[in-house]
Amino acid sequence: GNSVTQMEGPVTLSEEAFLTINCTYTATGYPSLFWYVQYPGEGLQLLLKATKADDKGSNKGFEATYRKETTSFHLEKGSVQVSDSAVYFCALSDRGGAQKLVFGQGTRLTINP
Amino acid sequence: DAEITQSPRHKITETGRQVTLACHQTWNHNNMFWYRQDLGHGLRLIHYSYGVHDTNKGEVSDGYSVSRSNTEDLPLTLESAASSQTSVYFCASASGGAGSGELFFGEGSRLTVL
Repeated sequence: GNSVTQMEGPVTLSEEAFLTINCTYTATGYPSLFWYVQYPGEGLQLLLKATKADDKGSNKGFEATYRKETTSFHLEKGSVQVSDSAVYFCALSDRGGAQKLVFGQGTRLTINP
Repeated sequence: DAEITQSPRHKITETGRQVTLACHQTWNHNNMFWYRQDLGHGLRLIHYSYGVHDTNKGEVSDGYSVSRSNTEDLPLTLESAASSQTSVYFCASASGGAGSGELFFGEGSRLTVL
């Protein structure tokens, strides 16, 4: 079945550091890929997405590129802020699955001033 | 503004009791989902619905049930609560269409089963 694997957390960085959170997936066919973010005490919200190979999703300074050859969708940001502290989830959606998403285990990110 | 609300936000119950978690959305979305969130497991799908009177089992459906009598609501029932069902539960909705992927989540319901 479909699955998503994220790098183990927690991740702690200083403000303005470069961020990478790794995500790899296993899926049949051509899934859509997503990053969701969960701020403390809130539900998840969509951060960015990519629907086909080589697409780059971007939002709020975060980027991720859909790499079919390596089955990866790593999240990056050039200069993190304290306000980026949250839990980040990588997810995939089978194209026929009508938003029935499969999530990774989540990576907790803490940014220190 | 349209929204999705869950209630209660926090509940403590005892083993063996029936518990119902409510989910209400005002977007008129066809698709609704229930997930549970546990440390080390991320979010796992419990049940989902693609429209009125439609319900489907997800990855971890044992011990849970849902019903969809209207577009706005998808209540989640734990028939006989167990300590293994202590978790944070999230309801989500989406407008429909394969692959678009944006789910709108509620703020979660934290359930403790003693």
